[in-house]
Amino acid sequence: AQSVSQHNHHVILSEAASLELGCNYSYGGTVNLFWYVQYPGQHLQLLLKYFSGDPLVKGIKGFEAEFIKSKFSFNLRKPSVQWSDTAEYFCASYQLIWGAGTKLIIKP
Amino acid sequence: GAVVSQHPSRVICKSGTSVKIECRSLDFQATTMFWYRQFPKQSLMLMATSNEGSKATYEQGVEKDKFLINHASLTLSTLTVTSAHPEDSSFYICSAIARQVTDTQYFGPGTRLTVL
Repeated sequence: AQSVSQHNHHVILSEAASLELGCNYSYGGTVNLFWYVQYPGQHLQLLLKYFSGDPLVKGIKGFEAEFIKSKFSFNLRKPSVQWSDTAEYFCASYQLIWGAGTKLIIKP
Repeated sequence: GAVVSQHPSRVICKSGTSVKIECRSLDFQATTMFWYRQFPKQSLMLMATSNEGSKATYEQGVEKDKFLINHASLTLSTLTVTSAHPEDSSFYICSAIARQVTDTQYFGPGTRLTVL
């Protein structure tokens, strides 16, 4: 069965640190990969998505993700995090298969 | 931007009663709506997909007679948890896909159901 796994359930960083959140998917073939963010008390919002083309995808709020087919990975990155990035981040495939989420806490 | 609302945001009910949760797309027509369930510290689990005017498609293991889904219009889908039991307590989230933008889901804020 298809699955999506996120490596870390909790990540704590200081402001200005670099961020990388891992996401691996379990299947081959056509991919449709997404990263969503849920800020405290708010709806899930789309950060970025990848269907095909340039494997480096840029999203909102300075986030980017790189699709690496050989590693079945779609890791989320941000060079310098801010306190306002504190949220829960979800990786999803076809928007229907979801990772367990990573809670990111940024210390001011 | 596209906004999806859910009502109620929280509901507490007694075991054996039924609860209806509404999901509305406020500023767009939703050809498809999804219902998810989220357990604590776990990922979203897709329960069913509903298309306007047709029967919902349920994921394996989801009881269609227990979780009744009605997508009566292009802006409204309802999830009714029938004869609720404590194990149905969870966070239920809906999402909608717009007619014009079919590759992006817009999520509602979720409904916290507690069954006593």
